[in-house]
Amino acid sequence: DQQVKQNSPSLSVQEGRISILNCDYTNSMFDYFLWYKKYPAEGPTFLISISSIKDKNEDGRFTVFLNKSAKHLSLHIVPSQPGDSAVYFCAASAGSYQLTFGKGTKLSVIP
Amino acid sequence: DAGVTQSPTHLIKTRGQQVTLRCSPKSGHDTVSWYQQALGQGPQFIFQYYEEEERQRGNFPDRFSGHQFPNYSSELNVNALLLGDSALYLCASSPEGAGAWRDEQFFGPGTRLTVL
Repeated sequence: DQQVKQNSPSLSVQEGRISILNCDYTNSMFDYFLWYKKYPAEGPTFLISISSIKDKNEDGRFTVFLNKSAKHLSLHIVPSQPGDSAVYFCAASAGSYQLTFGKGTKLSVIP
Repeated sequence: DAGVTQSPTHLIKTRGQQVTLRCSPKSGHDTVSWYQQALGQGPQFIFQYYEEEERQRGNFPDRFSGHQFPNYSSELNVNALLLGDSALYLCASSPEGAGAWRDEQFFGPGTRLTVL
């Protein structure tokens, strides 16, 4: 049973436009959410996080939105750049030392 | 700063064999977590080590065991290998501190294990 779901395996976006990556979760005990970016042959890199007490967190071009009632979060990248092309993982924590990851969404930013 | 390093990069084993994977954490980090990433899946948490003790374990059988050394480096051991153990094994390190392990978790490039 997947507790963190990324239903879009891939996404293509034109350079300069907005990229929106989505993530749904089923475990209501999750209280902290993170996004990681992964390039081929490298480990995942932390991008941005959000606590369940907030509904938005921004860091430069990256914004994460959390809708607790819908158990949904999204990552917005504005403007998208070719260097953003990577696999993006959504992850969640339920107050323990364990992170639960989704399957990832491959983002391709077309120049 | 070398970041998180893992060895070996690739490994091929046969069913029933045992394997040991190694991880050196980023300088200043004292907590190490291990993840298994099967093809097309996200990383799945195996366990986390702090102060040479396993303090959290995911849903993995006892065939998976680990160790953390006084210098904070860590090993992952898998016994009686199965075909389904073929995956990328990721090590992540972080500093101890309230919540730090989440936002400040750095991953290594992983070890690709193939079981034939």
